[in-house]
Amino acid sequence: GAVVSQHPSWVICKSGTSVKIECRSLDFQATTMFWYRQFPKQSLMLMATSNEGSKATYEQGVEKDKFLINHASLTLSTLTVTSAHPEDSSFYICGGSGGLRSQPQHFGDGTRLSIL
Amino acid sequence: GEDVEQSLFLSVREGDSSVINCTYTDSSSTYLYWYKQEPGAGLQLLTYIFSNMDMKQDQRLTVLLNKKDKHLSLRIADTQTGDSAIYFCAESSDDYKLSFGAGTTVTVRA
Repeated sequence: GAVVSQHPSWVICKSGTSVKIECRSLDFQATTMFWYRQFPKQSLMLMATSNEGSKATYEQGVEKDKFLINHASLTLSTLTVTSAHPEDSSFYICGGSGGLRSQPQHFGDGTRLSIL
Repeated sequence: GEDVEQSLFLSVREGDSSVINCTYTDSSSTYLYWYKQEPGAGLQLLTYIFSNMDMKQDQRLTVLLNKKDKHLSLRIADTQTGDSAIYFCAESSDDYKLSFGAGTTVTVRA
């Protein structure tokens, strides 16, 4: 099956620093990447959708200046949490899709972000 | 997940069949999915079904879709301890976005 590699898997950093999370599709071209946030014992909340070479589309309530998304190639998308604060601590998951309706999203293993 | 609902917990004995149910509201849903999430991990695609299908079987997994009632189920035959996880039902329509249910925590007991 299609593989999406996400790293780092776990990061701990001080408040005020910026953290970059990478998501790579290893064996398919991810035309569209989706970034989610998941709180403990809850479902996934879509943060933004990015298409390769285009600006990301953010869901309502998600600060685009806070969560910078870059999708420069068909195999790589990054999410940068800028000036992170403790309330940004969460589990972040990316999902990649090849862009055809028949192609399901494939997810990375997630990044656990802890801001001290 | 407000457009997709599923029960929160299911406890099943090892070797028995598990059935996880899901309902959705979007009549324009084109694909419906089942994902599995183990602790601390991402989502693993288990299976998916196109909305014009009624059933899909893949080894121990059977998906049933009742489009009229907007009801989707996942049956796991011969449930094993490794099947303990959270199972998410999801649907997508024209915009490729997935709407997830809250997840069903399946616990397999010996």
